[in-house]
Amino acid sequence: DQQVKQNSPSLSVQEGRISILNCDYTNSMFDYFLWYKKYPAEGPTFLISISSIKDKNEDGRFTVFLNKSAKHLSLHIVPSQPGDSAVYFCAASALGSDKLIFGTGTRLQVFP
Amino acid sequence: NAGVTQTPKFQVLKTGQSMTLQCAQDMNHEYMSWYRQDPGMGLRLIHYSVGAGITDQGEVPNGYNVSRSTTEDFPLRLLSAAPSQTSVYFCASSRGDANTEAFFGQGTRLTVV
Repeated sequence: DQQVKQNSPSLSVQEGRISILNCDYTNSMFDYFLWYKKYPAEGPTFLISISSIKDKNEDGRFTVFLNKSAKHLSLHIVPSQPGDSAVYFCAASALGSDKLIFGTGTRLQVFP
Repeated sequence: NAGVTQTPKFQVLKTGQSMTLQCAQDMNHEYMSWYRQDPGMGLRLIHYSVGAGITDQGEVPNGYNVSRSTTEDFPLRLLSAAPSQTSVYFCASSRGDANTEAFFGQGTRLTVV
């Protein structure tokens, strides 16, 4: 039973445009969300996070939006760059839990 | 700065063999975890540890054992390898708990034939 879902396995975006990666979750106890980026043959690296007490968090070109009522979060990358081409994972944890649960990932390709 | 080091990087095992995947971190992190990455399945938590001497099961613990005798090391043992355990394995560590930014190793690609 996948508690964190990324329904788009892949996304292709032109350089300079906005990339929007989506993530849905089913566990209403999740209260902290993170995005990780992964290049081939490397381990994932942390990108940005958001607590459930916020609905938006911004870090440079990256913004994460959280809609608790819809159990949905999204990662916006503006403007997209070729170096952003990677697999993006969203992850979630619940208050009092020590488990970090990842989604299935979305492969982003940014073309010139 | 070594960060999180995993060995080996690649391994081929025969069905029924056992082996240990090594993971070491030099950041004095309390929290460590093991994930496996499979196509279409994302990263799935196998086992985790909140400190030396403390381990717990994740989402897919069957067929794997862990121990945490020191803060630095968190080995993952495959007791009797099966083809279903063919995967890429990642070890991660973080300063605090599951909410804290995790640092991942480069992964171990395991094939069980």
